[in-house]
Amino acid sequence: NAGVMQNPRHLVRRRGQEARLRCSPMKGHSHVYWYRQLPEEGLKFMVYLQKENIIDESGMPKERFSAEFPKEGPSILRIQQVVRGDSAAYFCASSHLQEGSGANVLTFGAGSRLTVL
Amino acid sequence: KQEVTQIPAALSVPEGENLVLNCSFTDSAIYNLQWFRQDPGKGLTSLLLIQSSQREQTSGRLNASLDKSSGRSTLYIAASQPGDSATYLCAVRNTGGFKTIFGAGTRLFVKA
Repeated sequence: NAGVMQNPRHLVRRRGQEARLRCSPMKGHSHVYWYRQLPEEGLKFMVYLQKENIIDESGMPKERFSAEFPKEGPSILRIQQVVRGDSAAYFCASSHLQEGSGANVLTFGAGSRLTVL
Repeated sequence: KQEVTQIPAALSVPEGENLVLNCSFTDSAIYNLQWFRQDPGKGLTSLLLIQSSQREQTSGRLNASLDKSSGRSTLYIAASQPGDSATYLCAVRNTGGFKTIFGAGTRLFVKA
């Protein structure tokens, strides 16, 4: 079991470019969450997805950010026209139990660190 | 709106000391509470998960307690070691929602 796999681990982009971050959940997990961690701050929820559905995107900025979790392949967090303030660590987590279960453990990936020059 | 607060923000202790990290949350309608460890520049490692019906969980030198009515959880670390140095994050998952809300963390430094 390879755990939650995120790539790239480090990404450097210039202002105005696009950033694509990928997350493969643990085997058997169908729930994916994206979080953002700014330097010296805690994790902030961005979006929760199940296969082919966005369930809760209340933490996503209204513009430039989008996420998907297709039927096949990894979940993608896409940031268009990046700005310096997008520089952060982006973490993906997955879980497998049905919503409503108190035993729903979140398993995190190692994160993708985006640097915008 | 759920808010999670962790105190202290930072803690430095000598090796061997027992210590307690505190977490408080504003909305007691939770599914579970999870404690994580984060090493600098790394991802999160789950330490303990306490379901809303439980009062505590133990793993090795770690013990986490949960008091839903008062909105508090503590993480107790016995006989601390330099390898315990990391940031410890408390995270709460609400009923009726899908988000897990994190505290800002406690940065622990254990001196050899």
